[in-house]
Amino acid sequence: QVRLQESGPGLVKPSETLSLTCGVSGYSISSGYYWGWIRQPPGKGLEWIGSMYHSGNTYYKPSLKSRLTISMDTSKNQFYLDLNSVTAADTALYFCATFWDGMAIDHWGQGTLVTVSS
Amino acid sequence: QSVLTQPPSASGTPGQRVIISCSGSTSNIGNNYVYWYQQLPGTAPKLLIYKNNQRPSGVPDRFSGSKSGTSASLAISGLRSEDEADYYCAAWDDSLSGHFGGGTKLTVL
Repeated sequence: QVRLQESGPGLVKPSETLSLTCGVSGYSISSGYYWGWIRQPPGKGLEWIGSMYHSGNTYYKPSLKSRLTISMDTSKNQFYLDLNSVTAADTALYFCATFWDGMAIDHWGQGTLVTVSS
Repeated sequence: QSVLTQPPSASGTPGQRVIISCSGSTSNIGNNYVYWYQQLPGTAPKLLIYKNNQRPSGVPDRFSGSKSGTSASLAISGLRSEDEADYYCAAWDDSLSGHFGGGTKLTVL
C-alpha cells in the first residue's frame, strides 16, 4: 500500500520560498509512477502544480514554471516541492500524489496547509 | 478561470440520475483521456473514473463516465446522500501540463 505524507512549514513569509517534502512508504519512487503536487486554495478547486518521473522527466504548470522546482531523493524515498517568491495567492492546501497515465492520480497525501503571510 | 469548464453546482433527489459536464478543447479532452474525482468534505480527492469511462475497483457502477469530442460527462444514477461532494474532471494537455476543472458541488436534496 503506497502511503504519502507531506511535511513542511505551515507559514511562509511573502517573497520567501515554500519548501515541502513528501515522504513515501510502501513503494520505491524509483520503481515507477510519476510523483507530483496538487494544491487547493481555501474554499476553491484543485490546481495541478507539476510532476516528475524518477528518470528526471519533469512537467510544470506553465504559470508557475519560473518559480517552481520539483525534485526527488531516491535514497530517502522522498520528493520535494520548492516554490520561490511566494505571495498570498500561493496560500493553499498542498497535496503530494502519485500519477500514472497523465492525470490518473490514485494515491494522495492527506494534504498540508501552507499560509503565506507576514 | 479553469481550462476545463464545469458547472459550479448540481443537485438531485435520492434515486435520481445526475449528470455533470466538463468542457475543454482539442488539446486536452479532445486528444487525451478524461478522469473524474470525488472530494468529500475535509478529505483528499478519490479517483472515480479513469480513461474516460473506466471505474477503479471499489467504485460503484452507479458512477459512469463518457466523452465525446472536447466534452465529457460524469453520470451518477440512483443518487444517494453520501454522494454529496465536490466532483472534478481532469485531463492532460498536449502542451505537457495537467488541468482540473473548476469543480461541481453536488447537493442531494
